[in-house]
Amino acid sequence: ETGVTQSPTHLIKTRGQQVTLRCSSQSGHNTVSWYQQALGQGPQFIFQYYREEENGRGNFPPRFSGLQFPNYSSELNVNALELDDSALYLCASSPSLSRSVGDTEAFFGQGTRLTVV
Amino acid sequence: GQQVMQIPQYQHVQEGEDFTTYCNSSTTLSNIQWYKQRPGGHPVFLIQLVKSGEVKKQKRLTFQFGEAKKNSSLHITATQTTDVGTYFCAKGSNYKLTFGKGTLLTVNP
Repeated sequence: ETGVTQSPTHLIKTRGQQVTLRCSSQSGHNTVSWYQQALGQGPQFIFQYYREEENGRGNFPPRFSGLQFPNYSSELNVNALELDDSALYLCASSPSLSRSVGDTEAFFGQGTRLTVV
Repeated sequence: GQQVMQIPQYQHVQEGEDFTTYCNSSTTLSNIQWYKQRPGGHPVFLIQLVKSGEVKKQKRLTFQFGEAKKNSSLHITATQTTDVGTYFCAKGSNYKLTFGKGTLLTVNP
């Protein structure tokens, strides 16, 4: 196991609602990234946080937002949920010595399976 | 955006057969990473390749990075039922990983 934990593991929400997903990074990791994985697809990068600041963002609308806390844990918030938001949401942390998670391996949590009905 | 293309999408083999998945990019890659995701699981890091022409082995798994750093491959020798899962390549760039669509490997015992 990687030591990255996510909660909850499963969640069902109604279209239009808001959701908060949580991630606890592996000890010593100060970089956390969030990915969305639709069924049968590869993970898609949402955004990354490094030392509590957003360090990059993928092609996701502003209703996807995040936070990183001083203990390096993180939240992903999604407002105005749509049916297409149904997916596995993955948190990944890295022991980055630099700001570039692409240069080091990512340790993924088990994910949160979100279903929007 | 800049994508990594992965083929084949699916591969079904008999236990003991070999398996190869390929990853291609139209642009030069600074690095390529490989992940395995078991059914119902999460991606697990396998390896990172950085150097042109690099070849790395992990037991029955052999990873290659092309000379031009635009393609990579993962080869599994003598597959076992424990190899079942989706294998993703991912390019590392600045602050994010860009994943291919993966190759789903199923193994018939």
